[in-house]
Amino acid sequence: RKEVEQDPGPFNVPEGATVAFNCTYSNSASQSFFWYRQDCRKEPKLLMSVYSSGNEDGRFTAQLNRASQYISLLIRDSKLSDSATYLCAVNWGGGADGLTFGKGTHLIIQP
Amino acid sequence: DGGITQSPKYLFRKEGQNVTLSCEQNLNHDAMYWYRQDPGQGLRLIYYSQIVNDFQKGDIAEGYSVSREKKESFPLTVTSAQKNPTAFYLCASSIQEGQGYTFGSGTRLTVV
Repeated sequence: RKEVEQDPGPFNVPEGATVAFNCTYSNSASQSFFWYRQDCRKEPKLLMSVYSSGNEDGRFTAQLNRASQYISLLIRDSKLSDSATYLCAVNWGGGADGLTFGKGTHLIIQP
Repeated sequence: DGGITQSPKYLFRKEGQNVTLSCEQNLNHDAMYWYRQDPGQGLRLIYYSQIVNDFQKGDIAEGYSVSREKKESFPLTVTSAQKNPTAFYLCASSIQEGQGYTFGSGTRLTVV
């Protein structure tokens, strides 16, 4: 069964703080992992891919823990503009039906 | 610039009416997907296509139909058999299976 689980939040975080959230997936054979950002009433946009060795892009760090079957996203020095919903996505491999998305974690950065 | 275009942005459907949502990409991507997003439900896969003239049902295909006559185009028809069509519809493409998607800006469909 394909399941991707996220804490829906909302996470209310003061500006400048560090925030992290996880995404768990059910299939240990999963091959590709991604974080997307979705603003209210807009389409999701790819934030970053998640590699086995971890991935860092500026204030954002994504990590993969295969043993415990979760990926994480850490945001340092959070900005007001980071307020959005963050979706994780998993490709199960072995099939052609693309990515399965979590329902998203809603992040609110407060001034 | 390459991208994926969905139209219209907003669409209103009367009861019993079929409507078609357009999705066009100039990214030269082979794979294209249709998702539906409802509040609190996340993205649910309707149909996908890995190659021209071939497509597969996703998790919630009932009441929908698609075609893939050209690599660039993957239109979605919401038929009268879809009893609860009000939702945000997202089209996406990827260069190949397992890669990240590029999404269109979506179509908001409302039944009136």
